[in-house]
Amino acid sequence: AQSVTQLDSQVPVFEEAPVELRCNYSSSVSVYLFWYVQYPNQGLQLLLKYLSGSTLVESINGFEAEFNKSQTSFHLRKPSVHISDTAEYFCAVSEQNQGGKLIFGQGTELSVKP
Amino acid sequence: DTAVSQTPKYLVTQMGNDKSIKCEQNLGHDTMYWYKQDSKKFLKIMFSYNNKELIINETVPNRFSPKSPDKAHLNLHINSLELGDSAVYFCASSQDQRPLHFGNGTRLTVT
Repeated sequence: AQSVTQLDSQVPVFEEAPVELRCNYSSSVSVYLFWYVQYPNQGLQLLLKYLSGSTLVESINGFEAEFNKSQTSFHLRKPSVHISDTAEYFCAVSEQNQGGKLIFGQGTELSVKP
Repeated sequence: DTAVSQTPKYLVTQMGNDKSIKCEQNLGHDTMYWYKQDSKKFLKIMFSYNNKELIINETVPNRFSPKSPDKAHLNLHINSLELGDSAVYFCASSQDQRPLHFGNGTRLTVT
């Protein structure tokens, strides 16, 4: 069975500081990896995904994540955060033949302060 | 233009009642899902339908019954509501194993 662990439930950070949200997973089969973002009272939006190919994936708003198979990790990073990045971030994994069945981590609340 | 839309956005009801949540997607996707987010924000899949056929049913009480009249709609009916059913329910859709598109959620409060 698969599982996802987000190591930090809350990450407070000052504006323009770098941030890393950690995610580790366990699975006996090949997986796809995702980060979703949830702004207050909204649904989940896909931030970025790893399906295959380059292990470093980037989003359009400056986030990036690196798939590390040996460490079974998919940490999310941003070199300089904005107030508007304040949200809940979810790491998720799915088996490669069950793309829609996502197993989510517990979420990390990113709070960016001025 | 909303891709995945759910109604209602908020639903407050008493224990023992029966209620439905509707979901529609205009993306042309062939697979739709219901996910539940509990009070600790933990998300878990409940059901998945592909072209109106149930393909995932994750040990959900049989008080929950999804219905898919066509591949663009997946409704969730809940009988005999209990306090523990209070949560945010998210509908989602996808095509060919691609990433899910989520709706904005329905916050169900059972009193």
